[in-house]
Amino acid sequence: GEDVEQSLFLSVREGDSSVINCTYTDSSSTYLYWYKQEPGAGLQLLTYIFSNMDMKQDQRLTVLLNKKDKHLSLRIADTQTGDSAIYFCAESGGAGNNRKLIWGLGTSLGVNP
Amino acid sequence: EAQVTQNPRYLITVTGKKLTVTCSQNMNHEYMSWYRQDPGLGLRQIYYSMNVEVTDKGDVPEGYKVSRKEKRNFPLILESPSPNQTSLYFCASSRDRGDGYTFGSGTRLTVV
Repeated sequence: GEDVEQSLFLSVREGDSSVINCTYTDSSSTYLYWYKQEPGAGLQLLTYIFSNMDMKQDQRLTVLLNKKDKHLSLRIADTQTGDSAIYFCAESGGAGNNRKLIWGLGTSLGVNP
Repeated sequence: EAQVTQNPRYLITVTGKKLTVTCSQNMNHEYMSWYRQDPGLGLRQIYYSMNVEVTDKGDVPEGYKVSRKEKRNFPLILESPSPNQTSLYFCASSRDRGDGYTFGSGTRLTVV
């Protein structure tokens, strides 16, 4: 079945770049998303990429998609302590009209001063 | 401000006492959905709705009901809550796949 996998933890030093990786299984996914969840908060859409793109850049965020390997990554440049959160990768699964998202378990990003 | 509003944020209840978690969006989105988030299991879809009076089951619908009488509202109903429904619940809405979802702030439900 459909599955999305991410590493559970990542720790970086403030000012460095963070790279969060994700692999997925559904080759028919049309959109892939990155969401951010801060403690006690909801899920915030950070960025997304359409499956016919290889890369998307949005300010400090760069998304790379390797469709052949079904690998997605999120790079955060100049990581700040405010970037500490859980980052979820999700793909647009769901048959027919169900716009269900298939989620990874999240990568907890810790930023050390 | 475009948003999805869930209420309540926190709820502690007893087994068997019916409850409703409300969800409302002000973006005129047709698509709405409920998810539950559990440690080690991630986010799983409970129910979704394509439009008014059109709802369908997600992956974990047992023990839940929903209704969509108006476009903006999509309440989640637990007729007889049980402790295994203790979880963090999120409502979300979407215009289309390319926009992703807008999520509510979540409802932390504890059933004792």
